[in-house]
Amino acid sequence: ELKVEQNPLFLSMQEGKNYTIYCNYSTTSDRLYWYRQDPGKSLESLFVLLSNGAVKQEGRLMASLDTKARLSTLHITAAVHDLSATYFCAGDSGYALNFGKGTSLLVTP
Amino acid sequence: GAVVSQHPSRVICKSGTSVKIECRSLDFQATTMFWYRQFPKKSLMLMATSNEGSKATYEQGVEKDKFLINHASLTLSTLTVTSAHPEDSSFYICSARGASGVSYEQYFGPGTRLTVT
Repeated sequence: ELKVEQNPLFLSMQEGKNYTIYCNYSTTSDRLYWYRQDPGKSLESLFVLLSNGAVKQEGRLMASLDTKARLSTLHITAAVHDLSATYFCAGDSGYALNFGKGTSLLVTP
Repeated sequence: GAVVSQHPSRVICKSGTSVKIECRSLDFQATTMFWYRQFPKKSLMLMATSNEGSKATYEQGVEKDKFLINHASLTLSTLTVTSAHPEDSSFYICSARGASGVSYEQYFGPGTRLTVT
């Protein structure tokens, strides 16, 4: 069974700072997904990483995938308050998505 | 991107009653739909996978007689919570995978918040 672990689970950071969220997975995953969830809302798709070495960037967020290390990272650059949310990574075993526990991010002034 | 809708968005029901939640793919045909449940401050847990025209596949620990899933068409799946109890109160989210095109994408619905009193 594909297991997905994220860390940290909670992250408080100041505006303007950089930080990385890590996502490890236990077995081969066809794809790796990153989602954002705001309180009371459903998931918003951020990135889909399809192959080893894949890197995608959107605004202040950049995601990468290392399939050999079974590791994906979500890097936040110069954080702003609007990025406060819960971020989930999910692995795709070809059947359904297995989600990590989520990283609750709070960006403070 | 593709759109998945859920109805209702919020529902409050009394203990012992049944509640039906609909999940529709609005602009594509979904061969597979997934139902997730999310408790407060927790991650999404897959409950079941539903394929059009066949019986749903339930995850371990999910009672199939309590959570009835029907995927009658390529655009509609329903989840019925039967004899609901307060512990069934949760955020239920469906997602759908397309029959063609970008097969790796899963599109999530906006969720249904169920409160059982």
